[in-house]
Amino acid sequence: GAVVSQHPSRVICKSGTSVKIECRSLDFQATTMFWYRQFPKQSLMLMATSNEGSKATYEQGVEKDKFLINHASLTLSTLTVTSAHPEDSSFYICSAASGQGNEKLFFGSGTQLSVL
Amino acid sequence: AQKVTQAQTEISVVEKEDVTLDCVYETRDTTYYLFWYKQPPSGELVFLIRRNSFDEQNEISGRYSWNFQKSTSSFNFTITASQVVDSAVYFCALSAYPYNQGGKLIFGQGTELSVKP
Repeated sequence: GAVVSQHPSRVICKSGTSVKIECRSLDFQATTMFWYRQFPKQSLMLMATSNEGSKATYEQGVEKDKFLINHASLTLSTLTVTSAHPEDSSFYICSAASGQGNEKLFFGSGTQLSVL
Repeated sequence: AQKVTQAQTEISVVEKEDVTLDCVYETRDTTYYLFWYKQPPSGELVFLIRRNSFDEQNEISGRYSWNFQKSTSSFNFTITASQVVDSAVYFCALSAYPYNQGGKLIFGQGTELSVKP
């Protein structure tokens, strides 16, 4: 079964609204989670690294105020797209790294965001 | 800087053919991890393999095999006797050590494999 749960799988919203995407590790504690973005027929681009209890580290070119990341617990990280615009429409996917020296990475099933 | 190049954007084969997906990487790290993921049309990423930089043994898993060549910085993926269900986008990825940075993957551009009946 899935070890990383990501919700919602699909969301359609109006321009100007905010959308929250959740990423949960189901049976392990994830000290670090990662958020990726994928445009149609393109590769996955890392947006930010989310560390439990501290501020996220954003990749160059990613707007911190636009994409708010919160990692309040060892099993949950959230990505909020604030004041979404059509150009934010994309596939967002999270991944989580187990904190027990296990280098296996687990990906969520992704969220397709469509901003009208 | 780290970089992953998958030169083949699209590959189309007929069922039962063998197909090799190329992956070339660049890194200055002496220790790193290489991955292959499969992304079917549904979108989720399916983990296929992780290889440590210090383990150059090739691996076979059923119809899948991987050829890791450090000398040429390549980590190619071969599907033997391809099937229609193999149709998907395949990503090669690279991450640095240690593990808590291991989730920071640098992905290649992906290769879209189409297997026709």
